[in-house]
Amino acid sequence: QQQVKQSPQSLIVQKGGISIINCAYENTAFDYFPWYQQFPGKGPALLIAIRPDVSEKKEGRFTISFNKSAKQFSLHIMDSQPGDSATYFCAASRAGGYNKLIFGAGTRLAVHP
Amino acid sequence: NAGVTQTPKFRVLKTGQSMTLLCAQDMNHEYMYWYRQDPGMGLRLIHYSVGEGTTAKGEVPDGYNVSRLKKQNFLLGLESAAPSQTSVYFCASSYSGTATYEQYFGPGTRLTVT
Repeated sequence: QQQVKQSPQSLIVQKGGISIINCAYENTAFDYFPWYQQFPGKGPALLIAIRPDVSEKKEGRFTISFNKSAKQFSLHIMDSQPGDSATYFCAASRAGGYNKLIFGAGTRLAVHP
Repeated sequence: NAGVTQTPKFRVLKTGQSMTLLCAQDMNHEYMYWYRQDPGMGLRLIHYSVGEGTTAKGEVPDGYNVSRLKKQNFLLGLESAAPSQTSVYFCASSYSGTATYEQYFGPGTRLTVT
């Protein structure tokens, strides 16, 4: 079974719009939640990450919202640009877990001009 | 710095053939990982290493073996390839096993088993 569930599978947004990707987890031992961005033909790269002691983290146009009680977290991309078109993966790991990442299934985002 | 490099970039194997994928990193990272990426399933951890000379199983280790004889290299072997091993394979490295340390990924190897 998938420990980290991600939705939607694909997303189309108009330029300037807000892209929202959601993830949910079951294992309460997870304590680090990164998002990775992957362009076609490339490896994933860390975009932004959050720990459960904060409810929100913002870096430029990218924001993670975290709801510990609901065991959910989401990525918001404000003012989405065509250059943001990529596949986004949420992930989770736990303390003492050798930094092993459990990934969601991924969301393919297309931002249309 | 080249970061994380993977060799080869593409490979086609027949069922039953063997091959080795090579991962190299020049960041002096202690931890290294092998993942496979399949459509609709994200990335899944195959094996990992917490230092030179060590290896451990991840989520989906069956059919794969690994070795880490040198700190900078992590090899993934397929002894008898099966069509179910058709996938894109990514290697990653991390300075530490602490969760907040970023994993750096290579560009991937696309493997097709016919």
